[in-house]
Amino acid sequence: GAVVSQHPSWVICKSGTSVKIECRSLDFQATTMFWYRQFPKQSLMLMATSNEGSKATYEQGVEKDKFLINHASLTLSTLTVTSAHPEDSSFYICSASSPRYNEQFFGPGTRLTVL
Amino acid sequence: AQTVTQSQPEMSVQEAETVTLSCTYDTSESDYYLFWYKQPPSRQMILVIRQEAYKQQNATENRFSVNFQKAAKSFSLKISDSQLGDAAMYFCAYTKSGGSNYKLTFGKGTLLTVNP
Repeated sequence: GAVVSQHPSWVICKSGTSVKIECRSLDFQATTMFWYRQFPKQSLMLMATSNEGSKATYEQGVEKDKFLINHASLTLSTLTVTSAHPEDSSFYICSASSPRYNEQFFGPGTRLTVL
Repeated sequence: AQTVTQSQPEMSVQEAETVTLSCTYDTSESDYYLFWYKQPPSRQMILVIRQEAYKQQNATENRFSVNFQKAAKSFSLKISDSQLGDAAMYFCAYTKSGGSNYKLTFGKGTLLTVNP
C-alpha cells in the first residue's frame, strides 16, 4: 500500500523560531500533497494544497507568509512555520495523492509545541 | 460550497453490538466520492470505507458497511460486531470526482466509545 511519512513526529521550539516539517511519499509519486491542521478534539482543517513544481494554493484565512509550503519533488513536500508563536501549537497532518489512486494517503502527523 | 455534517459528537456501543454513525452532506455535484475515516488515539488517519456516488450498491468492508442515500444526501456508517479496537474518532468526508487531487471536506467527527 501507499505509505506517507512525516518528520519530525514531535517538535518543541521557542517562540520566534522557524520550524520545518517534512512530508514524504515513500512508495509512490505524489503529484498533489495537502497540509492540514488539527486542534484537540476537532476535525482536520485544510491549510493548503500543493502540486509538484508549482506554488501552493492556500485556503482562506491561512497566512501564506506564516506557513511556507514547498513541493519541490514528487516525493517531498515541506511546511515551514515561520516565526512560530504559542498559538501555532497544533497537530499538523499531511496527505499525498496521485492520479493512480482514488484516495489520499495520510502521514502520521507532527505535534508542534511552541513555548 | 460543499458541507459535511455529523450530528453525533459522541456515540457508545457495547462490544459485539452494532452501531450506526450518521453523516449528511450538501453538494451540487452529481459525481463525487464519500469516505469514512477512523482516527484512533495515535491520530493516524485510516480509511475505513469509500463510496462512489455513481454506484447504487452500498460499499462494504468486512464489519463496516454504509447506507448511501443519494437523493437524501445521507451516508451513514454501520459497524457490526463492534470490537474494542473500533474505539476512535470517525470522520465522514467528501470530495468531488475526477481524481484524488481534489481536496477533502471533513465533518466534525463522531467519537465512538466501545464498552467491554
